Amino acid sequence: GAVVSQHPSRVICKSGTSVKIECRSLDFQATTMFWYRQFPKQSLMLMATSNEGSKATYEQGVEKDKFLINHASLTLSTLTVTSAHPEDSSFYICSATQVNGNTIYFGEGSWLTVV
Amino acid sequence: GQNIDQPTEMTATEGAIVQINCTYQTSGFNGLFWYQQHAGEAPTFLSYNVLDGLEEKGRFSSFLSRSKGYSYLLLKELQMKDSASYLCAVRDEAGTALIFGKGTTLSVSS
Repeated sequence: GAVVSQHPSRVICKSGTSVKIECRSLDFQATTMFWYRQFPKQSLMLMATSNEGSKATYEQGVEKDKFLINHASLTLSTLTVTSAHPEDSSFYICSATQVNGNTIYFGEGSWLTVV
Repeated sequence: GQNIDQPTEMTATEGAIVQINCTYQTSGFNGLFWYQQHAGEAPTFLSYNVLDGLEEKGRFSSFLSRSKGYSYLLLKELQMKDSASYLCAVRDEAGTALIFGKGTTLSVSS
């Protein structure tokens, strides 16, 4: 079974609204989780690194006020897309690494469609 | 800066062998990963190399040369279901995010 669970798998929202995507590590603690975005036929682009108990680190060009990341516990990170725009429609996927581990686990991904 | 290059597309026939190359230039190196991704799905882990040499796992093998910044993924006895995108990714420091190449779309025909 999945070791990293992402929810929802698909979501449709109206322009201007906000939508939250959750990423949970199911049977391990993840002090760090990563959020990626993938547009059709393109590769995964790192958006931000989510650190438990501290502020997320955003990649260049990613608006931190638009993509809010909260990592309040060792098993949960959330990505909130605020004031969603059709251009934000994409596949969002999280990954997590066990503390002192090498294996990287990916969530199932979330398809966001903004209409 | 970080740069990971791999071919955009490749084609092959069932039963054949295909080699997908990946070259990288990163500030550090803490492992190279290969993932398979079918359209609309999350990536699936295939292999991990951190030392030079060949890692074999069933029909898939991955090779790494750190001095050359080069890796390849070798797929043997190709099957139709192997048609997918293959992503090369590098981690430059322990505990940091993977940096992905643009992916190679492999089409396997009968």
